[in-house]
Amino acid sequence: ETGVTQTPRHLVMGMTNKKSLKCEQHLGHNAMYWYKQSAKKPLELMFVYSLEERVENNSVPSRFSPECPNSSHLFLHLHTLQPEDSALYLCASSQDHTGLEQFFGPGTRLTVL
Amino acid sequence: GQQLNQSPQSMFIQEGEDVSMNCTSSSIFNTWLWYKQDPGEGPVLLIALYKAGELTSNGRLTAQFGITRKDSFLNISASIPSDVGIYFCAGRAGNTPLVFGKGTRLSVIA
Repeated sequence: ETGVTQTPRHLVMGMTNKKSLKCEQHLGHNAMYWYKQSAKKPLELMFVYSLEERVENNSVPSRFSPECPNSSHLFLHLHTLQPEDSALYLCASSQDHTGLEQFFGPGTRLTVL
Repeated sequence: GQQLNQSPQSMFIQEGEDVSMNCTSSSIFNTWLWYKQDPGEGPVLLIALYKAGELTSNGRLTAQFGITRKDSFLNISASIPSDVGIYFCAGRAGNTPLVFGKGTRLSVIA
């Protein structure tokens, strides 16, 4: 138990669906992250939020839309995804956005049909 | 962008053996981290290194921050079945985001 929870753990969606991934951290951290983990690839940083403001956006397609309503919650809204978007989506948090010791949630395994 | 080369990609070892894996970078890093990911879970931080030459242990795990600041090593002594998983190195240069290696998949044969 790392103090970072993610729901749902598994999600199957069609290309025309809209769904959201949720992340919550109970560590009192100020920074939260979304990563994409695909087979045989390094973790890909998607978004970074610090004190609810986005500080990093690594050229992620607009079909992924993050939302950070407060420092404990982070969402990833999904719309018209492609099959190649199927992956494990990991949320992480750290003390601040320069903090290195990131604590990860268990991830959401996403399958796009 | 920055890339990390992590090796080996996978290892099959007998229970009780020692394990070594490493990570190299083309850039000088000021921080190295080692994570372990169990199946169906997110990565868990094992060891963090902040100074060149630093050697840090966590139980049977020992990691070192290379003197050149371009590499790091993780050793596991006397492996046990629960050591199975994927081990990731991660590093950072300056204030850039963490960069992760592709992972070393460890299998332990009892």
